[in-house]
Amino acid sequence: LAKTTQPISMDSYEGQEVNITCSHNNIATNDYITWYQQFPSQGPRFIIQGYKTKVTNEVASLFIPADRKSSTLSLPRVSLSDTAVYYCLVGDRAGGFKTIFGAGTRLFVKA
Amino acid sequence: DADVTQTPRNRITKTGKRIMLECSQTKGHDRMYWYRQDPGLGLQLIYYSFDVKDINKGEISDGYSVSRQAQAKFSLSLESAIPNQTALYFCATSDPGIGSNEQFFGPGTRLTVL
Repeated sequence: LAKTTQPISMDSYEGQEVNITCSHNNIATNDYITWYQQFPSQGPRFIIQGYKTKVTNEVASLFIPADRKSSTLSLPRVSLSDTAVYYCLVGDRAGGFKTIFGAGTRLFVKA
Repeated sequence: DADVTQTPRNRITKTGKRIMLECSQTKGHDRMYWYRQDPGLGLQLIYYSFDVKDINKGEISDGYSVSRQAQAKFSLSLESAIPNQTALYFCATSDPGIGSNEQFFGPGTRLTVL
């Protein structure tokens, strides 16, 4: 299983763009990169998934360089409600059981 | 996600007691999972099931057992609860047919073992 490394915590202010980078040096050819968001005492919620280059949805963008050894979750114009833990996961689409959640990145958005 | 429900939401029990946590889903997904989360940490996979006849151990299955009674129901049992099983427990579902391994989580069960 590809191991991921991401910062333990980050601080930001409302209205700023936040970029959280995740390292996954041992990513396999069939692996996708997935990000989840978790609020206190709630289950994680899927944010975005990608394989290469750039993926954008209504919530975030995911940037993946050509070597795929890292990825960056970009949250545009964060608000206080974006304060949460963000998890980066790597795994193939068929093997959902391989979803391994590490400690994640605690994002704290200040007013 | 309201499509995945867990009961009870909170439970306090004593060491040595048998506890069952239940999970139900209306998403029609074949795959179901049980995780535990300790304060300040990520989620650890306890058991997972790819269909009614399939049960697999996860990272931390010792002290736990599961039952997949139907596609929609997946129960987690603590045969003899101990204090270090105090944690937040999440059930999740997924469907590889939708093109991703996105998991849909329930609201969680907070278990305290005294």
